[in-house]
Amino acid sequence: EVQLVESGGGLVQPGRSLRLSCAASGFTFDDYAMHWVRQAPGKGLEWVSGISWNSGSIGYADSVKGRFTISRDNAKNSLYLQMNSLRAEDTALYYCAKARTPYGGDAFDIWGQGTMVTVSS
Amino acid sequence: AIQMTQSPSSLSASVGDRVTITCRASQGIRNDLGWYQQKPGKAPKLLIYAASSLQSGVPSRFSGSGSGTDFTLTISSLQPEDFATYYCLQDYNYPFTFGPGTKVDIK
Repeated sequence: EVQLVESGGGLVQPGRSLRLSCAASGFTFDDYAMHWVRQAPGKGLEWVSGISWNSGSIGYADSVKGRFTISRDNAKNSLYLQMNSLRAEDTALYYCAKARTPYGGDAFDIWGQGTMVTVSS
Repeated sequence: AIQMTQSPSSLSASVGDRVTITCRASQGIRNDLGWYQQKPGKAPKLLIYAASSLQSGVPSRFSGSGSGTDFTLTISSLQPEDFATYYCLQDYNYPFTFGPGTKVDIK
């Protein structure tokens, strides 16, 4: 079964850091680009970051650029999001999503169930 | 960054109705657009990729069209399970951007 399982969310104080993980199974992980998408409570979807199959192409939303870092370990079938200098507006459900192709520019055909990040003092 | 707008922001429709949702990009994005359906408490689901290609397993009542800056998602005959929020996403270049969403509810 094709599956993405996120972990690492939780309650964190403003200014602190958190690292999210996404474990992939059921497909050849290093054949596809991967992305993070978030959704604040009661709000719409916001694309956060994406990474190509070989980490050669990486992109970030303007709202997180310079604070968040995406990475992947193809040997471990895992995607990561290092989040530094967290702000209250980063509070959201964070989804991991698989792209249809190895490179950044394509739709997301598989999604995880998300991990909740709450930034509050 | 490319801005995406959607209209309407919400609509009320009946089972069997034909429903059309539009998405507009602030600059040309070729056909690099996808449509996603999200139900409350669930992860989004891909319906259409490359503006008009139906994702495997998605019912044929869903269709997409458009290229450049203007795109349309059409549901030919609305079914009870189609009541949800629909989002477009441009995957033309980074940063990718979603539209604000269109909520489809029961009239």
